Amino acid sequence: SQELEQSPQSLIVQEGKNLTINCTSSKTLYGLYWYKQKYGEGLIFLMMLQKGGEEKSHEKITAKLDEKKQQSSLHITASQPSHAGIYLCGADPVEGAQKLVFGQGTRLTINP
Amino acid sequence: NAGVTQTPKFQVLKTGQSMTLQCAQDMNHEYMSWYRQDPGMGLRLIHYSVGAGITDQGEVPNGYNVSRSTTEDFPLRLLSAAPSQTSVYFCASKIAGELFFGEGSRLTVL
Repeated sequence: SQELEQSPQSLIVQEGKNLTINCTSSKTLYGLYWYKQKYGEGLIFLMMLQKGGEEKSHEKITAKLDEKKQQSSLHITASQPSHAGIYLCGADPVEGAQKLVFGQGTRLTINP
Repeated sequence: NAGVTQTPKFQVLKTGQSMTLQCAQDMNHEYMSWYRQDPGMGLRLIHYSVGAGITDQGEVPNGYNVSRSTTEDFPLRLLSAAPSQTSVYFCASKIAGELFFGEGSRLTVL
């Protein structure tokens, strides 16, 4: 079965610093999704990547999918308190399978 | 636009009791799914449906039943609750690759 490993599991950074969260799979990813979850709430869609080498940005968050489509990174520039939460990557294990699976999540804390 | 609505938000059960978590969406999405979230384990897919009358199992289906009689509703049933089913449950609908999540239902089984 598809397994997604996220690293690190938790991250504490000072406000204003940059940070990167990684999501790695042993198998090809047919769709890679990034979600953010605020503590005690539901998940909010951030970005979807499908093509090898694809990169997308929204405000200060950039996500990339490597050429082999087995690893994705989420980069936050000049972090703010509003970036705090749990970030999860999700992926389709088989193209068109409709069984989106998720990594275990990365808990991000922003210190003032 | 309400999006995905889950009820109840909190529930405490005794071992062996049954209950249904309700999920409704008003976006006319064909795809709906149920996940459970446990500490350190991310989200795990329980069941999903690609349309009315069609359901299929996810990663952790044991102990849970679902049905999809309408496009809008996708209830999750626990027939005989066990402490291992203590978790936060999320319902989601999907269109064009984007999952829309409900706010979650926190279930405790004593």
